[in-house]
Amino acid sequence: AQSVTQLGSHVSVSEGALVLLRCNYSSSVPPYLFWYVQYPNQGLQLLLKYTTGATLVKGINGFEAEFKKSETSFHLTKPSAHMSDAAEYFCAVSEPPNFGNEKLTFGTGTRLTIIP
Amino acid sequence: GAGVSQSPSNKVTEKGKDVELRCDPISGHTALYWYRQSLGQGLEFLIYFQGNSAPDKSGLPSDRFSAERTGGSVSTLTIQRTQQEDSAVYLCASSPTGASGYTFGSGTRLTVV
Repeated sequence: AQSVTQLGSHVSVSEGALVLLRCNYSSSVPPYLFWYVQYPNQGLQLLLKYTTGATLVKGINGFEAEFKKSETSFHLTKPSAHMSDAAEYFCAVSEPPNFGNEKLTFGTGTRLTIIP
Repeated sequence: GAGVSQSPSNKVTEKGKDVELRCDPISGHTALYWYRQSLGQGLEFLIYFQGNSAPDKSGLPSDRFSAERTGGSVSTLTIQRTQQEDSAVYLCASSPTGASGYTFGSGTRLTVV
């Protein structure tokens, strides 16, 4: 079984400040980890993913995340927030493809607000 | 097509009526997923298709929910005898087999009144 915990349902940061969105996971198999972003009335867009290999992964819009197995974490960061980053962010976990089913288990989401 | 297309984008139905939600995946994507997003439950997995078969239906909440996929392409999610608790956004996603991280459609917002 897999699960995801996102700490902080709402996060506010000032424009230009560091963005840090926290995600911890639980998985009985090596996890594949994802961050998705959802803008109002839209579907989910993949920001970045960790599968295997390098633990620091870079995604779109200047976001990056680091897989830390010892901490079971996959926190999302961006050095400098932009107004267009305001959205809801979802962390998700799946099993590797060779397990036969890549369904995602999502966290409850973090709404990011950017303060001008 | 360029992306995953879902129709209708919005659907209002009366309690007890049946509804059909359609998903057109990206051409060539063999895997197709349905999720439901609601305020109380967050994002929930419903069903997974590999080609036309559904190896994992474990997320369907009741026997009022069913889904099919034809020609390895279009999928339809059917909800019979809709209830108010079925009100949610239904999201479809597709991916090539073995790829990680799939493409979502914009969803169908279902409101049961």
